[in-house]
Amino acid sequence: EVQLLESGGGLVQPGGSLRLSCAASGLTLRSYAMSWVRQAPGKGLEWVSGISATGGSTYYEDSVKGRFTISRDNSKNTLYLQMNSLRAGDTAVYYCAKENARRYFDFWGQGTRVTVSS
Amino acid sequence: IHMTQSPSSLSASVGDRVTITCRASQSISTYLNWYQQKPGKAPKLLIYAASSLQSGVPSRFSGSGSGTDFTLTISSLQPEDFATYYCQQSYSTLMSTFGQGTKLEIK
Repeated sequence: EVQLLESGGGLVQPGGSLRLSCAASGLTLRSYAMSWVRQAPGKGLEWVSGISATGGSTYYEDSVKGRFTISRDNSKNTLYLQMNSLRAGDTAVYYCAKENARRYFDFWGQGTRVTVSS
Repeated sequence: IHMTQSPSSLSASVGDRVTITCRASQSISTYLNWYQQKPGKAPKLLIYAASSLQSGVPSRFSGSGSGTDFTLTISSLQPEDFATYYCQQSYSTLMSTFGQGTKLEIK
């Protein structure tokens, strides 16, 4: 059974940093592109960042460019999102999602909550 | 690429036929996907490539369209279908975008 398990969320002050992790089981992460998608409280889904299967290409939504860094360690079957200079607007549940070849998301983690507040 | 769903919310009854539309700001061929999300849960893929049913999804769900205009149809609503539905374009290789969502509520 495919499972994606996010961790690393929590409460952080504005300007602070967090690193989210997404550990995969039941699939070999190195074979797939992956993304992070977030959902602010009471709001819709927002794609945040994506990374190719090899890690050679990365993509970001405009509001997080220069602040967030997506990476992966295929030897550990784990995806990461380093989030710096956090703002109140980054408060959300963050999901990792496996991409299919046509770039739709066929498996999702359960999400990890990030709250940016003083 | 901006995605616009309509309506934003919809009230319907069990057994009703329901249609949700999604419009892209430019042509995206059939790179359009639909998700269902229930409160407190992760989204679930329903339809990919505009009209292909994801494995395990009931056949009452169907999708159609190409270019800029797409629809998700539920042929006969069941109690478990009351949820929020999102479209997503995967045409752009640089970034993906979702519609704002359609909340389907019980009438």
